[in-house]
Amino acid sequence: DTAVSQTPKYLVTQMGNDKSIKCEQNLGHDTMYWYKQDSKKFLKIMFSYNNKELIINETVPNRFSPKSPDKAHLNLHINSLELGDSAVYFCASSISDRGGNQPQHFGDGTRLSIL
Amino acid sequence: AQTVTQSQPEMSVQEAETVTLSCTYDTSESDYYLFWYKQPPSRQMILVIRQEAYKQQNATENRFSVNFQKAAKSFSLKISDSQLGDAAMYFCAYRIGVTSGGGADGLTFGKGTHLIIQP
Repeated sequence: DTAVSQTPKYLVTQMGNDKSIKCEQNLGHDTMYWYKQDSKKFLKIMFSYNNKELIINETVPNRFSPKSPDKAHLNLHINSLELGDSAVYFCASSISDRGGNQPQHFGDGTRLSIL
Repeated sequence: AQTVTQSQPEMSVQEAETVTLSCTYDTSESDYYLFWYKQPPSRQMILVIRQEAYKQQNATENRFSVNFQKAAKSFSLKISDSQLGDAAMYFCAYRIGVTSGGGADGLTFGKGTHLIIQP
């Protein structure tokens, strides 16, 4: 199936640990994103990558480090996890060169819970 | 910076009736796009409808339509013949256009409206 897939879907871990979330898209898109959805359901952009190049880096702690090995993958590594990192993280992808009306396709999200 | 405001945290409608969800936005750009996304309890983000700012005609997708008032910076979503499956969080979102340098920009979301469908 064509889609944006994230793994894992759920991640429970202790404060201070390091964890990664993987994202892959097979839609042929050239731009990928990470969003954070907090406990109040508010969604906010964290990063965007276009052709493996970082385009947007919102005010995110440098404990968060995205890595894009190729256009189809954008992984998120988080160091020294804190309680406030508990959230749902969404990966998304789109095409950048046809105007902004190209919708972003979202993965199913990864619920990260910090104990 | 662009902002998107959804003033209705929660709305309730009887099945088969029509409901309108409100959204206003603030931008100084002329080239931008607006979207409505639906997030059911399954957590998926599903595109409902999109609107190009340069188009005067309101977008429609089956039972979903928008009322786009560019001067008022308003972008409301109308759901006709509401169905139980429409129950979800609905997010209004804005994205800057490519001609304004937004080729890879993320979406700016409103805080969402929780839509309840009464059987």
